[in-house]
Amino acid sequence: NAGVTQTPKFQVLKTGQSMTLQCAQDMNHEYMSWYRQDPGMGLRLIHYSVGAGITDQGEVPNGYNVSRSTTEDFPLRLLSAAPSQTSVYFCASRWTPQSEQYFGPGTRLTVT
Amino acid sequence: GNSVTQMEGPVTLSEEAFLTINCTYTATGYPSLFWYVQYPGEGLQLLLKATKADDKGSNKGFEATYRKETTSFHLEKGSVQVSDSAVYFCAPLGTGGGADGLTFGKGTHLIIQP
Repeated sequence: NAGVTQTPKFQVLKTGQSMTLQCAQDMNHEYMSWYRQDPGMGLRLIHYSVGAGITDQGEVPNGYNVSRSTTEDFPLRLLSAAPSQTSVYFCASRWTPQSEQYFGPGTRLTVT
Repeated sequence: GNSVTQMEGPVTLSEEAFLTINCTYTATGYPSLFWYVQYPGEGLQLLLKATKADDKGSNKGFEATYRKETTSFHLEKGSVQVSDSAVYFCAPLGTGGGADGLTFGKGTHLIIQP
């Protein structure tokens, strides 16, 4: 199993550009989440999904969209990048609400 | 919603020292509690967990006990190694039965000097 994979590993965007961060898992997990990690802020939840076709907002959803058309994939879309979205983004998945959460290696995004 | 308070650090110790990282939480009910570790340049990985009051989670020499009375889940290790240098996150399961995942603390940066 590859576990949770994320692409790209690094990305630089200009303000106003859009892009999609990819996340995929091969463990057949129903629950998937996107977090951003900023210095001194820990991890904050952006969006999450409890199964294909079902998504919901987390703590900091503004400026981001998600969709879940398959169990395996959970892409995160930045609609119009802003410098405040400079961060490290982590995707995670788990089998049930109570079970261990598996994290991807992260995407480091810089918006200039 | 749930929230977590943990010492932020950096915490600097010498090799073979005793480690305690404090974690207290506020939550509705009695959620499962987790400690995650993040090594430099990597994602987070589960270190240990406890699912009910008085449970003790343990792994790689680390331990933490679920204390319902004090709403705490302090991480301890008897003798730390340089390889333990990392950022440690305390995380109770989120509200709503955990559908929204974990509520992370800000993390404690641990530095172990040889």
